[in-house]
Amino acid sequence: AQKVTQAQTEISVVEKEDVTLDCVYETRDTTYYLFWYKQPPSGELVFLIRRNSFDEQNEISGRYSWNFQKSTSSFNFTITASQVVDSAVYFCALSGRQGGSEKLVFGKGTKLTVNP
Amino acid sequence: EAGVTQFPSHSVIEKGQTVTLRCDPISGHDNLYWYRRVMGKEIKFLLHFVKESKQDESGMPNNRFLAERTGGTYSTLKVQPAELEDSGVYFCPTAGGYEQYFGPGTRLTVT
Repeated sequence: AQKVTQAQTEISVVEKEDVTLDCVYETRDTTYYLFWYKQPPSGELVFLIRRNSFDEQNEISGRYSWNFQKSTSSFNFTITASQVVDSAVYFCALSGRQGGSEKLVFGKGTKLTVNP
Repeated sequence: EAGVTQFPSHSVIEKGQTVTLRCDPISGHDNLYWYRRVMGKEIKFLLHFVKESKQDESGMPNNRFLAERTGGTYSTLKVQPAELEDSGVYFCPTAGGYEQYFGPGTRLTVT
């Protein structure tokens, strides 16, 4: 069975601090995909990144970076120099085989509050 | 490009009543999923349509839930009769490729 654990329920930081959101996953698939979604107060889930199990390179996109480590089954997300607009609930998710045609298994989410 | 739209945005009904949620996908997206998030818990998969066919309905909780997708376009999710534990937010992302595009969902409150 697939499982995603986001141990941090809520995190509060002050603007400009760096913050890392943890994600640990379990799967028996050899091919799988990992995702991060952001849910701002408006409610929709916004896609941030998709990473396949064969690509362990870390990725950086502006202030966002992702650290994928198969050895520890983790896919952590770091926001550098956080801003108030980063306040949201962040979900890590996992899917097997073809990411676009397979159901997503989500973690419970981490609520991030960035205070001015 | 219009995003996924869901109607209503919020529905409040009494236990035992029937509610139908509607989802209009992004044009051209063959894959349509339903998920729900019960308060404080994970977002959980309900089912997956490819066009008008049910590809995977393993997440449907019980036979009080009925999903349809007419002609491979919009989809409906009917809950009949609704129970208190059905309260939550229902999402229906659609996908043309690997990215599932989510809308804001429908918040269902059963009292």
